[in-house]
Amino acid sequence: GAVVSQHPSRVICKSGTSVKIECRSLDFQATTMFWYRQFPKQSLMLMATSNEGSKATYEQGVEKDKFLINHASLTLSTLTVTSAHPEDSSFYICSARGQLAGGGDEQFFGPGTRLTVL
Amino acid sequence: DAKTTQPTSMDCAEGRAANLPCNHSTISGNEYVYWYRQIHSQGPQYIIHGLKNNETNEMASLIITEDRKSSTLILPHATLRDTAVYYCIVRVAGGSEKLVFGKGTKLTVNP
Repeated sequence: GAVVSQHPSRVICKSGTSVKIECRSLDFQATTMFWYRQFPKQSLMLMATSNEGSKATYEQGVEKDKFLINHASLTLSTLTVTSAHPEDSSFYICSARGQLAGGGDEQFFGPGTRLTVL
Repeated sequence: DAKTTQPTSMDCAEGRAANLPCNHSTISGNEYVYWYRQIHSQGPQYIIHGLKNNETNEMASLIITEDRKSSTLILPHATLRDTAVYYCIVRVAGGSEKLVFGKGTKLTVNP
């Protein structure tokens, strides 16, 4: 399947700082990227959807000013957690959807980023 | 509300077939059934999807009932590495519809 990478895989930061997470589609152009958050023993919760060159669409209850999403190219999206607090500690997973060489249109997930805010 | 219903957990012996059921009684005519799995502390992995015909790939088989109200994911020879949470999701293929995850089924493959 297609490859989606995330960087960093793990980050620890102090409360009040900002953290940027990168998501890249390595072998296809992602017209749409998604950001999910997963707390321990819970399922993935969609945070926002972004299309290349457009503003992200946030799910209800997700603060757009706190979770800044930039989808500047067809292969890169970034999520910035601004002024992070301990309650933002979670597993952040990006996902990319786009046309594959074989003609499919599927959604693939990155390996996730573990954020710990002290 | 979740469009699918899955058992919370299942166990399977290593080497045996794992059959994971999913109910999707309100599925629309243009919605596909997708299966993903998530191994602990990793991102979800696409397994298979189908519309109404049974599908098979190198990972699994998908059996969809004739009325499309339920389906079964079959892992023919489960290994310890198949221990994961399996998610059954319905969505329109090729559309902008987002993937919404329910609670999934925690499959534990035992030695």
